[in-house]
Amino acid sequence: AQSVTQLGSHVSVSEGALVLLRCNYSSSVPPYLFWYVQYPNQGLQLLLKYTSAATLVKGINGFEAEFKKSETSFHLTKPSAHMSDAAEYFCAVIIRNSGNTPLVFGKGTRLSVIA
Amino acid sequence: DGGITQSPKYLFRKEGQNVTLSCEQNLNHDAMYWYRQDPGQGLRLIYYSQIVNDFQKGDIAEGYSVSREKKESFPLTVTSAQKNPTAFYLCASTPTNSPLHFGNGTRLTVT
Repeated sequence: AQSVTQLGSHVSVSEGALVLLRCNYSSSVPPYLFWYVQYPNQGLQLLLKYTSAATLVKGINGFEAEFKKSETSFHLTKPSAHMSDAAEYFCAVIIRNSGNTPLVFGKGTRLSVIA
Repeated sequence: DGGITQSPKYLFRKEGQNVTLSCEQNLNHDAMYWYRQDPGQGLRLIYYSQIVNDFQKGDIAEGYSVSREKKESFPLTVTSAQKNPTAFYLCASTPTNSPLHFGNGTRLTVT
């Protein structure tokens, strides 16, 4: 079965600093990987996805993530944090070409941005 | 605009009452899902449906029930058997092999 582990339930950065949110996955077969963002009292929005094309994936709002098979990681980064990036971020995994088998989500990382 | 509508946004109920949360989508997606979100626990799958008139239990289905009589609708009933029903409930949908689209959630408070 697949699983994801997000290291750090809460990350705090200064405005303009690098954002790094960590995600490690476990899957016995090649996975698809996703990052979602959630603003307070809202649903989740897709930030980016890895589906076996380029290992460096660019998403919305200046975020990107790199799939590293050797490290079983899919960390999310942004070079310069903005106040509007404060939200909760979820990493998710699914087996490739598994139809509509449900995504498995990590527990989330809350990002705070300090002015 | 296409999307997923969850209603109501806030719902209050007394303990012992059943309550039904609505989820409607006009995206023509085949699959629909219900997740429960609690602080620090991420999203946990309650039920999902891949086609009309069929659904499967997720990881925490006890105390919940669903129906899928129409492609666009997937209501969730929180029964009195659910021991800790207060939570944020998220509905999602997807066409095959595509990312999930989420509604804006319903926050249920049971006292």
